[in-house]
Amino acid sequence: EDQVTQSPEALRLQEGESSSLNCSYTVSGLRGLFWYRQDPGKGPEFLFTLYSAGEEKEKERLKATLTKKESFLHITAPKPEDSATYLCAARLTGTASKLTFGTGTRLQVTL
Amino acid sequence: SQTIHQWPATLVQPVGSPLSLECTVEGTSNPNLYWYRQAAGRGLQLLFYSVGIGQISSEVPQNLSASRPQDRQFILSSKKLLLSDSGFYLCAWSGGSEDTQYFGPGTRLTVL
Repeated sequence: EDQVTQSPEALRLQEGESSSLNCSYTVSGLRGLFWYRQDPGKGPEFLFTLYSAGEEKEKERLKATLTKKESFLHITAPKPEDSATYLCAARLTGTASKLTFGTGTRLQVTL
Repeated sequence: SQTIHQWPATLVQPVGSPLSLECTVEGTSNPNLYWYRQAAGRGLQLLFYSVGIGQISSEVPQNLSASRPQDRQFILSSKKLLLSDSGFYLCAWSGGSEDTQYFGPGTRLTVL
């Protein structure tokens, strides 16, 4: 069964304390791996798309990487405004743009 | 630029009542459209998707239905709501060959 698993479920960091979020996938054919940020009570906001192993993308304090089995979202020197739930999703080959989502990592960054 | 709207933002309905949630997209044509439900502590569950007017694919058997009466309008409906229909409903769109889905602000539905 195609599955996307995120860990940890929740993460608390102090401001400036770098860390990584994990997204592992067991799918028959990966066409794309997506990262979103979701604030409470709002819709997910698109961050990155990764298509092939070894690919990396950066945006401000965030960097996403992809291997053949998992993706990491690295957060460097986080600030309180980075607090949110981070979701990853996989698009499978031949699935007409359907995404399979993980349950997310709730990140809290404190002063 | 493209924008996606959902309304209402919040809704409280009694069990057995009907439901109609609306989603519209601006600034693009012939988008793929999606309805998701997000329950507390769970991931986003795809309910329906549409690649064109009148073309609806259902992912999960349930008492909900979807319609696409216009190119950029997607409607989620129910004839009789259940308690289990409570949740956060999200509409999303993607354009042409691009894979990325962009989400609307969501509708919080509470069924009492």
